[in-house]
Amino acid sequence: GDSVTQMEGPVTLSEEAFLTINCTYTATGYPSLFWYVQYPGEGLQLLLKATKADDKGSNKGFEATYRKETTSFHLEKGSVQVSDSAVYFCALTSPGGSQGNLIFGKGTKLSVKP
Amino acid sequence: SAVISQKPSRDICQRGTSLTIQCQVDSQVTMMFWYRQQPGQSLTLIATANQGSEATYESGFVIDKFPISRPNLTFSTLTVSNMSPEDSSIYLCSVAQGRGEQYFGPGTRLTVT
Repeated sequence: GDSVTQMEGPVTLSEEAFLTINCTYTATGYPSLFWYVQYPGEGLQLLLKATKADDKGSNKGFEATYRKETTSFHLEKGSVQVSDSAVYFCALTSPGGSQGNLIFGKGTKLSVKP
Repeated sequence: SAVISQKPSRDICQRGTSLTIQCQVDSQVTMMFWYRQQPGQSLTLIATANQGSEATYESGFVIDKFPISRPNLTFSTLTVSNMSPEDSSIYLCSVAQGRGEQYFGPGTRLTVT
């Protein structure tokens, strides 16, 4: 079945460091891809999305590019801040699954130290 | 994007009791979803709730344990019945908008003792 695999955490970085969180997927057809963020004690927020190959989603300095050839959607940010500390989830909408069903990766916890 | 609220935000419940969680959306939506997030884990879809029809449950979840109501296009409830400590989780509702994306409520943090 369709699935999402993301790098295990936790990831600990110093402020202003470069961030990469790897995400790869398995899906039949052409899924839409998402990154969600969950700040401590809060629900999930949509961070960015891409709906077709080579699309780049971006928001709040974060970017991810839909790479069909490598089935990847890695999240990057050039300079992280303490306020970026959160859990990041990669997800896809399965084109062959239940309508609207999001399939999530296991999440990667990011801690940014001052 | 839709604004979604949930009540209660958290609760501590006794084993064997039931809790009903409410989800309110500020606009009319066709599809609403209920997820469970167990401690330190990712999200698992419990069911899809469409107005005017029975909820569709995912494998491993049954209506007797998690009855869902969807009386109109802006509101839904999820009941966690006959609770046990294994039901301690965050329960989140979401709505579908745009091309496959979903927007989530703040979640209900449930602890069963």
